[in-house]
Amino acid sequence: EPEVTQTPSHQVTQMGQEVILRCVPISNHLYFYWYRQILGQKVEFLVSFYNNEISEKSEIFDDQFSVERPDGSNFTLKIRSTKLEDSAMYFCASTTQGPSPEQYFGPGTRLTVT
Amino acid sequence: ILNVEQSPQSLHVQEGDSTNFTCSFPSSNFYALHWYRWETAKSPEALFVMTLNGDEKKKGRISATLNTKEGYSYLYIKGSQPEDSATYLCAFSIKAAGNKLTFGGGTRVLVKP
Repeated sequence: EPEVTQTPSHQVTQMGQEVILRCVPISNHLYFYWYRQILGQKVEFLVSFYNNEISEKSEIFDDQFSVERPDGSNFTLKIRSTKLEDSAMYFCASTTQGPSPEQYFGPGTRLTVT
Repeated sequence: ILNVEQSPQSLHVQEGDSTNFTCSFPSSNFYALHWYRWETAKSPEALFVMTLNGDEKKKGRISATLNTKEGYSYLYIKGSQPEDSATYLCAFSIKAAGNKLTFGGGTRVLVKP
């Protein structure tokens, strides 16, 4: 069964460093998302991406964040200068187009900023 | 601001017992209600996507109902088994494909043998 994959599973970085989180969505899917869950809090939406551009972003998704689909298979989230408060589990999701589309989630990347 | 609430936050169930828990969501601009099952270190697994008021869906021993007029959904587990231990997340969306999910805080279920 097709699945969304994410790498790495755990990333430790120092404050101020850049990180790139990688995702491979399901191959025929058209919409891509990043969510995150800070420990003890709800899963929250960061950004959605369709047709090679951002379709919606939350207020969390400021200029420090960017997304890219560089080669038609990978979908990346870059954080330019990490802060302590960026420590969270980051989930990638994808969906096809349809009347009631399920979003399929990857297993997440745990980002720890020290 | 959309707010999705789940209760209880956690519950312990004896193996073989049935249980249920709630997700409440805004009733205006409703499009779909999603239920996910999430085990630690695994991908959240989609259980149901529900769109119509009165919808009832079933997958094995797990079922869900939807009331969009009053803004709630119930998830039921019949004859709980240890493998049902997980966090169950509900999420709400207000329009079709491409829109974000707004999640509740989850209900953590622990089934004791």
